[in-house]
Amino acid sequence: QKEVEQNSGPLSVPEGAIASLNCTYSDRVSQSFFWYRQYSGKSPELIMSIYSNGDKEDGRFTAQLNKASQYVSLLIRDSQPSDSATYLCAVGSISSGSARQLTFGSGTQLTVLP
Amino acid sequence: NAGVTQTPKFRILKIGQSMTLQCTQDMNHNYMYWYRQDPGMGLKLIYYSVGAGITDKGEVPNGYNVSRSTTEDFPLRLELAAPSQTSVYFCASSVTGGDQPQHFGDGTRLSIL
Repeated sequence: QKEVEQNSGPLSVPEGAIASLNCTYSDRVSQSFFWYRQYSGKSPELIMSIYSNGDKEDGRFTAQLNKASQYVSLLIRDSQPSDSATYLCAVGSISSGSARQLTFGSGTQLTVLP
Repeated sequence: NAGVTQTPKFRILKIGQSMTLQCTQDMNHNYMYWYRQDPGMGLKLIYYSVGAGITDKGEVPNGYNVSRSTTEDFPLRLELAAPSQTSVYFCASSVTGGDQPQHFGDGTRLSIL
């Protein structure tokens, strides 16, 4: 059974600091990795995709992937109170059958303190 | 650019009633999904579909049914509603499964009393 693990938090950081969110996964053949942001009472919103080892930057967000160690992380630089949300890690595979879907972690709740 | 549209946004049902949650997407995505999210918890996959006429069970399918007669629509049917089905239901779609991100609707908040 595929598993995606995240620390549930809550993770609190002061405004302007770097927030670091981590995710580990169990399926070695996983090939696609996504970070979603979910505000309270809202639906998940895609913020980052990463497919290759290394770093991928988009504005204040950086996704880091290490397939050998089976972890993916999300860094948020210059954190703002508006970044306060739950962050979901999702892992996918292009294997056939029921494996062709994403497995979601349970999310890490981030609070950015003004 | 509507994306994934879910109706209704809120609904209260009595125990034993039935209802259909509607989901439609205008992105011509092949894959569609239904999830439930209980308070403070992650997403649990109920059913998914890889194309019109093809559906399959996810992690928590009991008490639900789906159909996929067109590429655009993927309704979720609750038969004999139970308090345990009180949750927020999200519909999502993706171009293909596993290697592409899923795009979510705004959700349906359902209470069974």
